[in-house]
Amino acid sequence: EVQLVESGGGLVQPGGSLRLSCAASGFTFSSYWMTWVRQAPGKGLEWVANIKQDGSEKFYVDSVKARFTISRDNAKNSLYLQMNSLRAEDTAVYYCAREFGGGWYVFDYWGQGTLVTVSS
Amino acid sequence: QLVLTQSPSASASLGASVKLTCTLSSGHSSYAIAWHQQQPEKGPRYLMKLNSDGSHNKGDGIPDRFSGSSSGAERYLTISSLQSEDEADYYCQTWGTGIRVFGGGTKLTVL
Repeated sequence: EVQLVESGGGLVQPGGSLRLSCAASGFTFSSYWMTWVRQAPGKGLEWVANIKQDGSEKFYVDSVKARFTISRDNAKNSLYLQMNSLRAEDTAVYYCAREFGGGWYVFDYWGQGTLVTVSS
Repeated sequence: QLVLTQSPSASASLGASVKLTCTLSSGHSSYAIAWHQQQPEKGPRYLMKLNSDGSHNKGDGIPDRFSGSSSGAERYLTISSLQSEDEADYYCQTWGTGIRVFGGGTKLTVL
């Protein structure tokens, strides 16, 4: 059974940093693109960043470029999101998701999410 | 620019059918998409991937009541025999080079 379990969320002050983790199991983690998606309170889903199987390619939504860094450790079946210079508008539930593969860049499994609150 | 447009809300009666629409922006009418469901206070769940020709493949455990179809730049999600647990937000999603894009979501109310 595919499982994605996020952790690391919490309350942080504006300008602070936080590192999210996503533990994957039930599939060959190193064979899939992985993604972070967020959802601000009462809002829709927003793609944040993704990373290729071997970490050689990474892409970000413009609003987080130069502040967030996506990474992965295939030996530990884990995905990470390092978030620096956090702003109030980064407040959201952050989900990790697996991308389908085979030329389909859609998300076929999702985690339960971890809440990040940026506030003083 | 790659944009997906969805109506903010829809409603239908218990036991009836409803067809939700996701429209691809100009120049992107051949793109495939996925549909995702988000029930209240839950994380999203993948429903299906949908090609421009209407062929689709559903995720594990998705009931036969859920189906997809396409026409031009429009991608549809049809839910038949509506049940109370179908009341949820529905998002379409696609991709470009490196980027992933969501529609704004449709909130479905089951009356």
